[in-house]
Amino acid sequence: QVQLVESGGGAVQPGGSLRLSCAASGITRSYGMHWVRQAPGKGLEWVAFIRHDGSNQFYVDSVKGRFTISRDNSKNTLYLQMNSLRAEDTAVYYCAKGKGVVPGPCDYWGQGTLVTVSS
Amino acid sequence: DIQMTQSPSTLSASVGDRVTITCRASQSISSWLAWYQQKPGKAPNLLIYKASSLESGVPSRFSGSGSGTEFTLTISSLQPDDFATYYCHQYNSFPYSFGQGTKLEIK
Repeated sequence: QVQLVESGGGAVQPGGSLRLSCAASGITRSYGMHWVRQAPGKGLEWVAFIRHDGSNQFYVDSVKGRFTISRDNSKNTLYLQMNSLRAEDTAVYYCAKGKGVVPGPCDYWGQGTLVTVSS
Repeated sequence: DIQMTQSPSTLSASVGDRVTITCRASQSISSWLAWYQQKPGKAPNLLIYKASSLESGVPSRFSGSGSGTEFTLTISSLQPDDFATYYCHQYNSFPYSFGQGTKLEIK
């Protein structure tokens, strides 16, 4: 049974940094992984993707240069390093497993971790 | 970047109704479209991928169709558990993007 568990969320001041983690279990091989966020009361926003081997990363324009997605396959863990945080980054952040070998939709999701950026 | 537009934003319906939600892409995405259901306080759940393929474990009353720029999600006979918010998602090209969501409410 696939399980994704996010951690690392919390409250931070504008300009600050946080690193989110997503621990995966029940996955027998590496897949591409996503981060998706949802601001309070708003819709879903795709944030970033990393290939199964970490060879390529992709980002939504609003986080380019500030966020970095990475993974440690030996630890079955996905990360999102978030720097220069802004109020508009306040959201629940979900990690999600990509379906299939090539980049695709999200077939398993974590429960989410809340990031609040406020002074 | 590809913009995804869903309609309607809110839909009121009754148990047993057949409902359809539409998603339009700002440019062709072939069939690289997924649909998700989300309930309050929960993570989204994948329903449909590649426009019309039913994810394992999803009831057959859910179906998807379309290609290119216009897509639909149909629920053939609404059940009480189906009242939720639905999102389309294009994965044709990065940056991926979601529609703004359709909230399905009880009439």
